[in-house]
Amino acid sequence: KNEVEQSPQNLTAQEGEFITINCSYSVGISALHWLQQHPGGGIVSLFMLSSGKKKHGRLIATINIQEKHSSLHITASHPRDSAVYICAVADYNTDKLIFGTGTRLQVFP
Amino acid sequence: GAGVSQSPRYKVAKRGQDVALRCDPISGHVSLFWYQQALGQGPEFLTYFQNEAQLDKSGLPSDRFFAERPEGSVSTLKIQRTQQEDSAVYLCASSNSVPDSPDTQYFGPGTRLTVL
Repeated sequence: KNEVEQSPQNLTAQEGEFITINCSYSVGISALHWLQQHPGGGIVSLFMLSSGKKKHGRLIATINIQEKHSSLHITASHPRDSAVYICAVADYNTDKLIFGTGTRLQVFP
Repeated sequence: GAGVSQSPRYKVAKRGQDVALRCDPISGHVSLFWYQQALGQGPEFLTYFQNEAQLDKSGLPSDRFFAERPEGSVSTLKIQRTQQEDSAVYLCASSNSVPDSPDTQYFGPGTRLTVL
């Protein structure tokens, strides 16, 4: 069993839809990261969470430490949101990241 | 300001050649991480530096892989006697994280290594 599980693996949406990507983990962590990777592109950090909720523009990330679960929400989705979204947890001792398998999101106009 | 840079961006090597991949982290960042991303897969941890000290190299797949950060800034990942299974994108990330104080990791664009 992977230490970080994401769902769904693939997601298609119509422009304007509300999107949720889920992440569960099974190890002790110092923080949880949500990352974005465009095809052939680099990785961009969206959020780093230790507790509660963060919001940036149309993106919202939440984490429940007790349940070891996090969600990434995208409101009013747009085709430019199409990318792979990766959940990664930071090892408690070294901060090295353990990555989930990613969620491939495609938003159609 | 300048982000994390990596060079070369692309490297083609013949099997058995040695390669050296360079990472220039954000100035002043204490922590530096190397990750390997095989085609269609998520990244996987290789090694971690805090300043010049290599504190974790548990992810290096074999003794053909070697990393250094002698002055606590620029880092080099060296792969000796490259094999086809080494083909991947090698990502470098830097941050100001220290134990008990996690921080955002900033990723470089990666070096795509192809071993023929």
